[in-house]
Amino acid sequence: NAGVTQTPKFRVLKTGQSMTLLCAQDMNHEYMYWYRQDPGMGLRLIHYSVGEGTTAKGEVPDGYNVSRLKKQNFLLGLESAAPSQTSVYFCASSPGTGGRREQYFGPGTRLTVT
Amino acid sequence: AQTVTQSQPEMSVQEAETVTLSCTYDTSENNYYLFWYKQPPSRQMILVIRQEAYKQQNATENRFSVNFQKAAKSFSLKISDSQLGDTAMYFCAFIRTGANSKLTFGKGITLSVRP
Repeated sequence: NAGVTQTPKFRVLKTGQSMTLLCAQDMNHEYMYWYRQDPGMGLRLIHYSVGEGTTAKGEVPDGYNVSRLKKQNFLLGLESAAPSQTSVYFCASSPGTGGRREQYFGPGTRLTVT
Repeated sequence: AQTVTQSQPEMSVQEAETVTLSCTYDTSENNYYLFWYKQPPSRQMILVIRQEAYKQQNATENRFSVNFQKAAKSFSLKISDSQLGDTAMYFCAFIRTGANSKLTFGKGITLSVRP
């Protein structure tokens, strides 16, 4: 049982390049989330999904897209990277409703855009 | 909208002593959950403890316990017998019940345990 995994762990991009971050969970959770963490800002929600085939915008969605084609995977895409997207990105999953609202986090991806 | 406030940016404690981390929140909801997460230097976010708002009893997990004051909207974390491995950033978080609700985090507090 690996929990939540993220690929890659580190990445350096040039401005304007694109990339996809992959999140996978093996806990059969319904809900999945993408956050970014910047110094002094805590964690901010980018996008989330409440089930396979669904996505929704969070607090800071601009410049990102997501897809949830399979229940266990949640992809975060940057179409044209900007230096302002330099951050640590976390994926999380949650059982969803039914009284289980805690989120379980992946190890994070450190992204630098030059 | 919900807000979570952690007013102390940093704290320090001697190994084996007790420390309390403060958190307040603002909401008009009656049913919700509160959490404390730990983020050590490894960067991994680890769930420390959870509290359901409808429960009057304070949650405990080994050396970690909370003081949940619903009327005051306060949710502090007490760490007893502090260990060097407790050195980390600690985040307080809130989520209301119901579908599509989102976790709101405080900005975190950096705790250093001194040997």
